[in-house]
Amino acid sequence: DTAVSQTPKYLVTQMGNDKSIKCEQNLGHDTMYWYKQDSKKFLKIMFSYNNKELIINETVPNRFSPKSPDKAHLNLHINSLELGDSAVYFCASSPRTDTGELFFGEGSRLTVL
Amino acid sequence: GDSVTQMEGPVTLSEEAFLTINCTYTATGYPSLFWYVQYPGEGLQLLLKATKADDKGSNKGFEATYRKETTSFHLEKGSVQVSDSAVYFCAIFPSSNTGKLIFGQGTTLQVKP
Repeated sequence: DTAVSQTPKYLVTQMGNDKSIKCEQNLGHDTMYWYKQDSKKFLKIMFSYNNKELIINETVPNRFSPKSPDKAHLNLHINSLELGDSAVYFCASSPRTDTGELFFGEGSRLTVL
Repeated sequence: GDSVTQMEGPVTLSEEAFLTINCTYTATGYPSLFWYVQYPGEGLQLLLKATKADDKGSNKGFEATYRKETTSFHLEKGSVQVSDSAVYFCAIFPSSNTGKLIFGQGTTLQVKP
């Protein structure tokens, strides 16, 4: 069983469309994250939730809206996609907020044409 | 602000060569230090960690020592294998407990047979 799973793995879409990426973890962790990895492999945190509550919201365009229906799930919805949104989006989880030991999903590669 | 700097890649080595990937950080207090590895097409995995000065983290033949005086956490392996080819990320988790794991830019390692 995959510990942190994301769907879809690949997403190709046109500019202006709206898309969602879903994430689920079966580790019983309280904290979940979204990270963006750009074409140069640089990783930057976007959002973090702890027990369904948003605790980190980095400088991200408000076209990006995370949602955590329960502590095992964290979804990312993106409105009005732009070329610059093309990246790999990683979901991650950790047992609590005060640790840097994260468990990552395999990533969702978003390509905006 | 807190930041991590890694040596530029790619690093290309022959099998059984000695590996060093340099990592230095800027942070107040005593951050926890991590190395993560990303194999092709996969998410990041924790490779090793150290939480206080002079701690040595080790795993799968890789080692890194927390050097407070030089603010460094260099990754080493005595004899690399082709299967070690991956992107290696140094990361810090600040003691200010912002909840944000801060990554370096990643170093690509290619090991040739």
